[in-house]
Formats: sequence, structure tokens, C-alpha cells
Amino acid sequence: GAVVSQHPSWVICKSGTSVKIECRSLDFQATTMFWYRQFPKQSLMLMATSNEGSKATYEQGVEKDKFLINHASLTLSTLTVTSAHPEDSSFYICSVGTSGRAGTDTQYFGPGTRLTVL
Amino acid sequence: GENVEQHPSTLSVQEGDSAVIKCTYSDSASNYFPWYKQELGKRPQLIIDIRSNVGEKKDQRIAVTLNKTAKHFSLHITETQPEDSAVYFCAASWGGGFKTIFGAGTRLFVKA
Repeated sequence: GAVVSQHPSWVICKSGTSVKIECRSLDFQATTMFWYRQFPKQSLMLMATSNEGSKATYEQGVEKDKFLINHASLTLSTLTVTSAHPEDSSFYICSVGTSGRAGTDTQYFGPGTRLTVL
Repeated sequence: GENVEQHPSTLSVQEGDSAVIKCTYSDSASNYFPWYKQELGKRPQLIIDIRSNVGEKKDQRIAVTLNKTAKHFSLHITETQPEDSAVYFCAASWGGGFKTIFGAGTRLFVKA
């Protein structure tokens, strides 16, 4: 499967600041990456689909001006949480869609980034 | 849009018993159904998946069944072990290049 990394693994920031999270596909050229948010004891909620070289597609209810996504290369997508508030505290996970790789349709997840906003 | 429902939310079994988790989906165009296992604080790990042209798939102690007509799919774990304790998520999608919608998760406890 694809190897996916995320950085940082955890971050604590003050309310009102912006935080950037990186998602890297280490062994697969990912035209599509996905960003999820997971609150404690809850499921993974898709935030947006990140497409290389084009604008991300956001799910209903996700503010695109607050959660900025950039997918400038086939190996890197970034999520920037702007003007973070305590309610943005969550576990953010990216995944790589491997469509096109022979025999697989699956997604492989990064290790996640735990964001705490004070 | 696609909606995936998962039951039960919590499941407690004795070591050695079987565990069954059931999911239903709403979008008949979904053709790929992965199952993920997530341990506390870690990333979801794919444990098994099934495509719409297959009714059943097995991998050692884990099996998945799919009923496309009823839009049901299930995960079966036999001879459960304490290390199977985790949260399991079902999901549905059109394939790897398309978004995946997850069920709410099932917290499985395997008692030794």
C-alpha cells in the first residue's frame, strides 16, 4: 500500500492563530488526497477532497475559507486551519486515494495530527 | 449523498467467540466497501475490502459479505482475540479516486 506521512503529529496553538498540517505521499504519486476530521469517540468525517493542481472540493458544512487546502504537487497536500478556535480542536487525518494503481481502490491514511486550540 | 449506517455501536464478546458488525449504505452507485480497524490515537488500518462484483471475501479469521440488492455488508471475525479489541469502521465509495463515507464505528471489546 501507499505510505503516507503527516506533520506535525500534534500541535497546540492559541486561539486566533493559524496552523498548517502537511500530508505527504511517500511512495505514490497522489492525484487525489482526502482530509478528514475525527472528534473523540466519533467517526471520520470527510472535510474535503484535494485534487492536485486544482481547487479542493469541500463537503457541505465545511468552511473553505477557514480550512485552506493546497495540493501543489503529487506528493504533498496541506491543510491550514485559519483563525483557529477551541472548537477546531480535533484529530485531522489525511488519506491518499490509490485509484489507478493496479488492483486497488483503497485509501491509505496518514498517522493523523492532533490539534489542540487553547 | 451517500450515507452509511453501522450497527452495533458497541460489541462485547468473549475470547474465541465470533463478532459480526453490520452496515447499510444508501448510494446504489457505491462499488467499493472497505473495513478499517482503528486503535486508540492511531490511524485507521485497512483490514479487508470487497468490491461490488463479489459477494463474499475471506482472509483468515476475517470475512466480509455483501448483498448489493439489499445494500447490506457485514464483517465477521471468528475466534476473536483480545488484540482484536478496537474500533471498526465500515465505509462505502465509488472507488479509490472518489470520496469514502464512513459508518459511525463499532467499538469491539474482546474479553479474555
